[in-house]
Amino acid sequence: AQTVTQSQPEMSVQEAETVTLSCTYDTSESDYYLFWYKQPPSRQMILVIRQEAYKQQNATENRFSVNFQKAAKSFSLKISDSQLGDAAMYFCAYRSGGVNLIFGKGTKLSVKP
Amino acid sequence: DAEITQSPRHKITETGRQVTLACHQTWNHNNMFWYRQDLGHGLRLIHYSYGVQDTNKGEVSDGYSVSRSNTEDLPLTLESAASSQTSVYFCASSPGFLYGYTFGSGTRLTVV
Repeated sequence: AQTVTQSQPEMSVQEAETVTLSCTYDTSESDYYLFWYKQPPSRQMILVIRQEAYKQQNATENRFSVNFQKAAKSFSLKISDSQLGDAAMYFCAYRSGGVNLIFGKGTKLSVKP
Repeated sequence: DAEITQSPRHKITETGRQVTLACHQTWNHNNMFWYRQDLGHGLRLIHYSYGVQDTNKGEVSDGYSVSRSNTEDLPLTLESAASSQTSVYFCASSPGFLYGYTFGSGTRLTVV
């Protein structure tokens, strides 16, 4: 069965600095999709970034980028120029054909002013 | 604008009562999902539907049921609420497997 692991329950970063959140997954599929979701204190789940496994190029959305290592089954999220509004829970998630979204347990990110 | 709405936002109920949480989406998505979120567990899938009249059990379906009579709605029913079902419940929808999910704002349910 597919699993998603986030090994850092909590992380902290200084405002304007860069932080990387780790995610690994286990699958025997070759075609799948990976996502990072942000959940601020408002509780709303917000899609941050999406990566298709067949694409070698790492996805980027403004200050958010991923390091996708397919062979290592690793999908880390890098947040550059961290802002106070980035403080939230971040969830890594996996999906493939016939398999619904599977979430990691989350990483709580704090941003220090 | 299209949206997905959950109601109520908060609910307190007593053990043994039947409770229904509403989920309504105007995205015209075929796929709809219910998750529960608990500390230390992330989000776990309760039930899902790929279209009208289609419902399927997820990872933690015991004590819950859903029905899909139209595209827009997937209500979640707790047949006999238990304290272990105290949680935050999220509804989500998706147009297909290639896409991520759009989430509702969640319902915090407390069973006392």
